[in-house]
Amino acid sequence: NAGVTQTPKFQVLKTGQSMTLQCAQDMNHEYMSWYRQDPGMGLRLIHYSVGAGITDQGEVPNGYNVSRSTTEDFPLRLLSAAPSQTSVYFCASSYVTGTGNYGYTFGSGTRLTVV
Amino acid sequence: ILNVEQSPQSLHVQEGDSTNFTCSFPSSNFYALHWYRWETAKSPEALFVMTLNGDEKKKGRISATLNTKEGYSYLYIKGSQPEDSATYLCARNTGNQFYFGTGTSLTVIP
Repeated sequence: NAGVTQTPKFQVLKTGQSMTLQCAQDMNHEYMSWYRQDPGMGLRLIHYSVGAGITDQGEVPNGYNVSRSTTEDFPLRLLSAAPSQTSVYFCASSYVTGTGNYGYTFGSGTRLTVV
Repeated sequence: ILNVEQSPQSLHVQEGDSTNFTCSFPSSNFYALHWYRWETAKSPEALFVMTLNGDEKKKGRISATLNTKEGYSYLYIKGSQPEDSATYLCARNTGNQFYFGTGTSLTVIP
């Protein structure tokens, strides 16, 4: 049972380049989300999804796109990378959390540097 | 922004000491409060999920309490061990969104 798998683990991008961070889970979790973690700040929600075909914005969505075509996958796209997007990105999933009753399972993180 | 605040920011204790830290959050529109343990170079791992005022959860030497009316939760570690060294995060759920605190970094000195 792999849990939540994120790829790549590390990435360096030039300003203006695009890329997709991959996230896959094999636990049949309906809820998936992307966070960024910056020094001195808590994990901040970028986008989330409560099921295939449904996505919504979190606290810091600007500069990022997501889609959820399957239950298992929730890729995060950076359309035109900026240095402000240098961060560590975590994907997390859980059962549907309308009442917040289920804890997250986190991926191992992607460390992204934009130069 | 529905701020979640954790204190202290960091803590050093001797092995065998008991310790506790605080998570404060707005008490309105409350669904659940989560605690996570985050070891260096790893991913956060869920410790507790609490939803009801007065909830108390326990896992081994670690326990947590919840007061939704006044908006706080305490995490207690009894007889700290070096392997308890980690950052402890709390997160408030308001439906489909979680708001995380910045964590309390605990170092247990052998």
